[in-house]
Amino acid sequence: GAGVSQSPRYKVAKRGQDVALRCDPISGHVSLFWYQQALGQGPEFLTYFQNEAQLDKSGLPSDRFFAERPEGSVSTLKIQRTQQEDSAVYLCASSPNRQGRVSETQYFGPGTRLLVL
Amino acid sequence: KQEVTQIPAALSVPEGENLVLNCSFTDSAIYNLQWFRQDPGKGLTSLLLIQSSQREQTSGRLNASLDKSSGRSTLYIAASQPGDSATYLCAVSPQEGGLVNDYKLSFGAGTTVTVRA
Repeated sequence: GAGVSQSPRYKVAKRGQDVALRCDPISGHVSLFWYQQALGQGPEFLTYFQNEAQLDKSGLPSDRFFAERPEGSVSTLKIQRTQQEDSAVYLCASSPNRQGRVSETQYFGPGTRLLVL
Repeated sequence: KQEVTQIPAALSVPEGENLVLNCSFTDSAIYNLQWFRQDPGKGLTSLLLIQSSQREQTSGRLNASLDKSSGRSTLYIAASQPGDSATYLCAVSPQEGGLVNDYKLSFGAGTTVTVRA
């Protein structure tokens, strides 16, 4: 009965380093989402997976951001050559539903706080 | 692009006082509106969801109203308690594209509430 978990919880990176953020969704959940939440702002949608298929990546801010979910369960958000503006909390959410009822049943993880120096 | 605004950004009240949190959105073509609670270091928890055809939803001490045509929603919390201290976020999902886009939540920046004992 565990919820959505994310690791690491905190990450400090030097500018230019690559980072990988992990999301473990609730077991059996079909849909998975990544959001970016800057300090003092609401979450911004990054990308959406249905099983292993990435159906929407329109929110990824640049080609330095890459997300995958190869087996339709665990997902990884990778940021290459990190910049200071990438500093934010990265939230993952999962849902047992597919498109059309997803917004009603999103369960959020605690987030990974990324600080780029 | 949908813009969601929450006023005030912060609110401090003595225990027992009623809370009124406001949310406005620029595009009235929404599928639904949700109010979330965010505690420090934790993910978002959905409190209330109002479908676009509804005017209000109630859960315990919480009541949320929706005036879709004017692009406004209000969250009322009756008889506030110190445990209500948190950041409250509202989010809307778009009507455009029908149900398939319901996952694309647009969030406000939130109202941070402190209830003093």
